[in-house]
Amino acid sequence: DAKTTQPNSMESNEEEPVHLPCNHSTISGTDYIHWYRQLPSQGPEYVIHGLTSNVNNRMASLAIAEDRKSSTLILHRATLRDAAVYYCILDSGNTGKLIFGQGTTLQVKP
Amino acid sequence: NAGVTQTPKFQVLKTGQSMTLQCAQDMNHNSMYWYRQDPGMGLRLIYYSASEGTTDKGEVPNGYNVSRLNKREFSLRLESAAPSQTSVYFCASSATMASAFYEQYFGPGTRLTVT
Repeated sequence: DAKTTQPNSMESNEEEPVHLPCNHSTISGTDYIHWYRQLPSQGPEYVIHGLTSNVNNRMASLAIAEDRKSSTLILHRATLRDAAVYYCILDSGNTGKLIFGQGTTLQVKP
Repeated sequence: NAGVTQTPKFQVLKTGQSMTLQCAQDMNHNSMYWYRQDPGMGLRLIYYSASEGTTDKGEVPNGYNVSRLNKREFSLRLESAAPSQTSVYFCASSATMASAFYEQYFGPGTRLTVT
């Protein structure tokens, strides 16, 4: 299985944009890039996913490098509620067997 | 919609005791999953059920059994609990296992301590 590498932690100020990086240099052509986040004492929740093109939804944007070896989750205006562990996950798109690494712990300062 | 519900929220067991963790979803999803999360770690897949009537092992199945009781319910059983099974257990569901199209929805978790 292709692996992802994320920084252990990041800090942001409230109402500023946040760029969360993820490296996946061994990604295969059929792997989708998924992002989930886990708020304190809760189960994970879906954020966004994509294959090749950049994606936007109401929660975030996903920017995928042209060679697909890295991607960036963008939170446009961080709020205190966005403080969570963010997981970058690769999956072929039809297995559903998500492999969660340790993720990036995002702190948001008021 | 309640989404994915899990019972109990907390449980303390002695080594060797057995218990069943219950999970139910009201989204008419075909696929369901059990994960465990150890302190400071990501989630690891224990078992999954692609559809009603099927179950398969995930990454860490040893010491566990599962039952897909019907489309709504997927239970996880510990036959003889061990301290190494102290963890937070999450149940999840998705419309199908095609993660390209369908996200997983997670329950609130069951915090299990085995002494």
